[in-house]
Amino acid sequence: EAQVTQNPRYLITVTGKKLTVTCSQNMNHEYMSWYRQDPGLGLRQIYYSMNVEVTDKGDVPEGYKVSRKEKRNFPLILESPSPNQTSLYFCASSDLAGRSGANVLTFGAGSRLTVL
Amino acid sequence: KQEVTQIPAALSVPEGENLVLNCSFTDSAIYNLQWFRQDPGKGLTSLLLIQSSQREQTSGRLNASLDKSSGRSTLYIAASQPGDSATYLCAVSGAGSYQLTFGKGTKLSVIP
Repeated sequence: EAQVTQNPRYLITVTGKKLTVTCSQNMNHEYMSWYRQDPGLGLRQIYYSMNVEVTDKGDVPEGYKVSRKEKRNFPLILESPSPNQTSLYFCASSDLAGRSGANVLTFGAGSRLTVL
Repeated sequence: KQEVTQIPAALSVPEGENLVLNCSFTDSAIYNLQWFRQDPGKGLTSLLLIQSSQREQTSGRLNASLDKSSGRSTLYIAASQPGDSATYLCAVSGAGSYQLTFGKGTKLSVIP
């Protein structure tokens, strides 16, 4: 089954404790992206990647890192989490098909992160 | 900077009604526009994608239109059903950019 898998789905951590949220897709998609969803603010893009070793900042990259060493994986790293990073996080991927812009996106189920 | 607005924020209709959801964007230089559905506690499911050169796309009871020059898109849902209850989001992809900007969504409730 074609899917985007995120782990963990739920996580409670404390301020300053480094954590990684993994994202993996099995569709051989070039484009992968991370979003956070907050009440009243909607979905905001954190980082995106057009292919292996190619990443760029979205609208709210502060406090996050990403890497794209393999095509199928795009982990989101919080080096020193803070309470304002408490949010619902989504990973998504799409096939660029040689064109600019993101095409039909497939989303993961989400990761709910709480930073105390 | 692209801004995407969805009005209304919430909508409640009786079962069987046809309805229209609205999405507007400030920068008409877009590559495509997508409509998504989000169920509570779940991820987003892509419903329709309209390329900037297209005027509309249809899938079953759903029809999405795009007027790029006026910065507007509508999602038309025919013969609404309780199972259509969800939050509907639109998102635009900027021309020459890989960034995606989302609206805050319209929460739809279809009353049996």
